[in-house]
Amino acid sequence: AQTVTQSQPEMSVQEAETVTLSCTYDTSESDYYLFWYKQPPSRQMILVIRQEAYKQQNATENRFSVNFQKAAKSFSLKISDSQLGDAAMYFCAYSLPSGTYKYIFGTGTRLKVLA
Amino acid sequence: ETGVTQTPRHLVMGMTNKKSLKCEQHLGHNAMYWYKQSAKKPLELMFVYSLEERVENNSVPSRFSPECPNSSHLFLHLHTLQPEDSALYLCASSSVGSNTEAFFGQGTRLTVV
Repeated sequence: AQTVTQSQPEMSVQEAETVTLSCTYDTSESDYYLFWYKQPPSRQMILVIRQEAYKQQNATENRFSVNFQKAAKSFSLKISDSQLGDAAMYFCAYSLPSGTYKYIFGTGTRLKVLA
Repeated sequence: ETGVTQTPRHLVMGMTNKKSLKCEQHLGHNAMYWYKQSAKKPLELMFVYSLEERVENNSVPSRFSPECPNSSHLFLHLHTLQPEDSALYLCASSSVGSNTEAFFGQGTRLTVV
C-alpha cells in the first residue's frame, strides 16, 4: 500500500529566509504524481506544486521548488524568501496516474513565518 | 461561480439529528471525493464517485451516506452520528484521465454534540 510520511509536525522560518519541508513516500509503482498542497486558515487546500515521477527535472513555481529524489522516495518542498502569507499547513500527497482516483496525503506540516 | 463550493461552512448537530453536506463543482470534472480531516491524522478518503458511480467506499460507517445525483453535485447525508465524527469534511473534484490534481472546497466544520 502507498503511504506518505511528513515527519515535521511544525516548522518555523524567519520572514525572507528559506525553509525546507520534508516528505517521504512508499510505493512499488514507477509512474505516479506527487503534490504539495497548502491549507491556510481559510481551510481550502490549494495546490502549490506538482511533480511527475517520470520527469527527472525538479518542479519550480516562483518561490517554491521541490527536491525530488526518486530512488530515495523523497519529495521535499523548498520555500524561498518566505512571506507572512506562506504561514499554513502544508500537505504532501501522492497519486497514481489517471484512472485510479486515489490521492494519498501525509499528516501535514504547520509552517509558521516569523516577522 | 467557479471552483468547488461546500455548504454549510459550519454545522453543529446532535447525535439524533439528520443533516446533509453539499458540494458543488463548476470545473467540468468527472470525479468527486469526500475526505475527512481530523487533527494530527492524514486526510481520510471516504468516498469517490466517477461519472456519478461510486467507485470507492473506504469502510465508512453506514451513518454516512453519499449521493451523487450528477457530475456537478455531491452530498453527504449524516444520521445518528457520534462525537468522534466531529471533523472537517472536505469535498474535492478532479478530471480523471487528464493527469491533474484534485481541487478542494473550503470544507464543512462538523461538530457532533
